[in-house]
Amino acid sequence: DQQVKQNSPSLSVQEGRISILNCDYTNSMFDYFLWYKKYPAEGPTFLISISSIKDKNEDGRFTVFLNKSAKHLSLHIVPSQPGDSAVYFCAATGGAGSYQLTFGKGTKLSVIP
Amino acid sequence: DSGVTQTPKHLITATGQRVTLRCSPRSGDLSVYWYQQSLDQGLQFLIQYYNGEERAKGNILERFSAQQFPDLHSELNLSSLELGDSALYFCASRGQGGGNTIYFGEGSWLTVV
Repeated sequence: DQQVKQNSPSLSVQEGRISILNCDYTNSMFDYFLWYKKYPAEGPTFLISISSIKDKNEDGRFTVFLNKSAKHLSLHIVPSQPGDSAVYFCAATGGAGSYQLTFGKGTKLSVIP
Repeated sequence: DSGVTQTPKHLITATGQRVTLRCSPRSGDLSVYWYQQSLDQGLQFLIQYYNGEERAKGNILERFSAQQFPDLHSELNLSSLELGDSALYFCASRGQGGGNTIYFGEGSWLTVV
């Protein structure tokens, strides 16, 4: 039972355009969501997060949108750059206790120069 | 550099053997998490320790065990290894001061032959 789903295994975008990565979740207890970026042979790097009390969080070129009613979040990268090419993981956590993260399977973003 | 250190970076061993993966969390972080990433899989949560005590368990096999020592470093022990245990094993840590961001090390590549 996958509680966090990233239905697009890959995405290709032209440099300078917008990249939109999507994530769906099923667990209503999740109240904090994170995006991680991962390059080959490296560990995941924290990118941006959002609490369930918000519907948008912005950090430079990265914006995360949360639609709680649809249990859906998205990461927007504008403008996309070749260095953004990586695997992006959506993660969620919630409820009191361990703050363990539940991850999606990732979306591989390729930004084409 | 996330501040989380993992050793060894690469390890090749035979089926039936036992290995130990080591993790040093970020300075001052009390929580340590272990995750497994197999081919075509997202990051699967294995186990969490907080200040030396087990806090949460995920999809960790009985052949696997972990501990966190008084100096807060952690070890993941994998025994009776099988070919399917070949994966990237990540350690992550989280600070005491709150926030749900978890910082990952670069991982230990385990290949079982």
